[in-house]
Amino acid sequence: GAVVSQHPSRVICKSGTSVKIECRSLDFQATTMFWYRQFPKKSLMLMATSNEGSKATYEQGVEKDKFLINHASLTLSTLTVTSAHPEDSSFYICSALAGGRADTQYFGPGTRLTVL
Amino acid sequence: DAKTTQPPSMDCAEGRAANLPCNHSTISGNEYVYWYRQIHSQGPQYIIHGLKNNETNEMASLIITEDRKSSTLILPHATLRDTAVYYCILSMEYGNKLVFGAGTILRVKS
Repeated sequence: GAVVSQHPSRVICKSGTSVKIECRSLDFQATTMFWYRQFPKKSLMLMATSNEGSKATYEQGVEKDKFLINHASLTLSTLTVTSAHPEDSSFYICSALAGGRADTQYFGPGTRLTVL
Repeated sequence: DAKTTQPPSMDCAEGRAANLPCNHSTISGNEYVYWYRQIHSQGPQYIIHGLKNNETNEMASLIITEDRKSSTLILPHATLRDTAVYYCILSMEYGNKLVFGAGTILRVKS
């Protein structure tokens, strides 16, 4: 149980385009999901907290107009990287709080974004 | 800033117990100790968490000192597939965000 998926697993795009990443909780409902970013040989950095039906809360230094988050249902949150640039190339990982107990975050497998 | 201190790396022989320490001297009364691990190029995997009592599940055991200022994650019989970065994180139990530090790189060797 508590499986989280992400799609796509890898994406390559041209500079200036937008990319959407989906995060789904497959076997549970998640009122809260989190988005992280991880650069090579670095630890995970929290970008934002996504709550179903409300606006996301962004961490300091994360541009909300560049990283659009939509949590439209209890099983789906999306992260859209708008006008992507090479410096946005990174490993993007989502997590979801398991419904019911909500005491443990379960992570997706991550999405590798490369911006050319 | 991460509120835990972990050794940057450790080696362990395959089949032996791996004991990963974590110091958290400024832990507050309502903070839990969480352990996650991340295998290369994958998302983190939840291992175990606890408040003050020792905990055990099918993956590992968590030993928390009585003063709660440190803890040890024990993988009883390490395998090569346990090679990963192990993160010790403090967090409130319900709905709170996780702040990842640098973690410990555990290398299990045959």
